[in-house]
Amino acid sequence: NAGVTQTPKFQVLKTGQSMTLQCAQDMNHEYMSWYRQDPGMGLRLIHYSVGAGITDQGEVPNGYNVSRSTTEDFPLRLLSAAPSQTSVYFCASSEAGEAFFGQGTRLTVV
Amino acid sequence: AQKITQTQPGMFVQEKEAVTLDCTYDTSDQSYGLFWYKQPSSGEMIFLIYQGSYDEQNATEGRYSLNFQKARKSANLVISASQLGDSAMYFCAIEAPPTGGSEKLVFGKGTKLTVNP
Repeated sequence: NAGVTQTPKFQVLKTGQSMTLQCAQDMNHEYMSWYRQDPGMGLRLIHYSVGAGITDQGEVPNGYNVSRSTTEDFPLRLLSAAPSQTSVYFCASSEAGEAFFGQGTRLTVV
Repeated sequence: AQKITQTQPGMFVQEKEAVTLDCTYDTSDQSYGLFWYKQPSSGEMIFLIYQGSYDEQNATEGRYSLNFQKARKSANLVISASQLGDSAMYFCAIEAPPTGGSEKLVFGKGTKLTVNP
């Protein structure tokens, strides 16, 4: 049972580059979310989705786009990376009472 | 808006002893869910325990229990019989109001627990 799979695990980008962080879940959950974790901080919500075709902004959405074309996949796009986006990114798939997290993607923007 | 406050940046406990990690929350919603997650040094987020605001009994999961005091808006995590493997960051989180999906969690800044042999 894979659960929530994030790729890549590590990434270094130059300022201004774009990239997509991939997230896939095999639990048939309707709800998925992206969070970022910065040093000394808890996780902060970037975007979330309550089902295929439905997405909405969280606390810190600027600089990120998402789409949800299938139940399984919820990619996070950085359109023009900035050093302030250096962080660890977590994707979560959830149902009531529990959110299952991926292993995280450590992104560095130089 | 919801807010979680974890006032203990770091805690130390001796192996086999119990430890309480503090969490207070702020929400104007009457219905909400409270979560605790563990993050070991390897980085993954591990779900520990959940408490719904209308649950009449405190939640328990093995060595983990949640001391839920609704009037004080606190949801402290109690770990009994600490083990070396319990050394990790611990995060408290809230979802208010519950949506049926736990997709919008608000996290505290965490408490780093160190278990000494």
